[in-house]
Amino acid sequence: ETGVTQTPRHLVMGMTNKKSLKCEQHLGHNAMYWYKQSAKKPLELMFVYSLEERVENNSVPSRFSPECPNSSHLFLHLHTLQPEDSALYLCASSFHPTGSGNTIYFGEGSWLTVV
Amino acid sequence: KQEVTQIPAALSVPEGENLVLNCSFTDSAIYNLQWFRQDPGKGLTSLLLIQSSQREQTSGRLNASLDKSSGRSTLYIAASQPGDSATYLCAVPRDGATNKLIFGTGTLLAVQP
Repeated sequence: ETGVTQTPRHLVMGMTNKKSLKCEQHLGHNAMYWYKQSAKKPLELMFVYSLEERVENNSVPSRFSPECPNSSHLFLHLHTLQPEDSALYLCASSFHPTGSGNTIYFGEGSWLTVV
Repeated sequence: KQEVTQIPAALSVPEGENLVLNCSFTDSAIYNLQWFRQDPGKGLTSLLLIQSSQREQTSGRLNASLDKSSGRSTLYIAASQPGDSATYLCAVPRDGATNKLIFGTGTLLAVQP
């Protein structure tokens, strides 16, 4: 248990579906993140929410839409995805700014398959 | 633009060996460097975080070193065990004291019993 819980762990969706990934952290952190891990590619930062401000990677397509209703919950809304969006989506949380030695905690990930 | 590289991509060693994993980065102006472990199909677990002012950090059988001037970090694993089998990733912040991280592609380690 890392203190960061992601649901669902596995999701299969068609290209016309709308689904959401959910993340919850119990660590009292003030920043939450979505990272994407595709086969044979480095982990890629998609979105950051800190102090209720959103920072995003400009290369993320608009078919991915994050929502952070409070500092403990983070969603990733998915719509009209493409097969190449199939990947492991990792949620994480930490303090921001990190200060001295404040590391980041990851959830177990949500495996997404787009068919 | 910061780039992080890890070599080797995969490594297989017999149990009990000492081993070194390498991480290099192109921009030496980093705030810190982190090493993570990822088991198959799972999330990442932080192993060691080295601040830019530090040269090394130790945790049990793990020792990580940092040489900012040469853009390199190493993770040393002593007396490897089959339970050490996993992918090891290094990462540096994209900017400042944040966890907006740039990751390497990782080293897949297999320790044979």
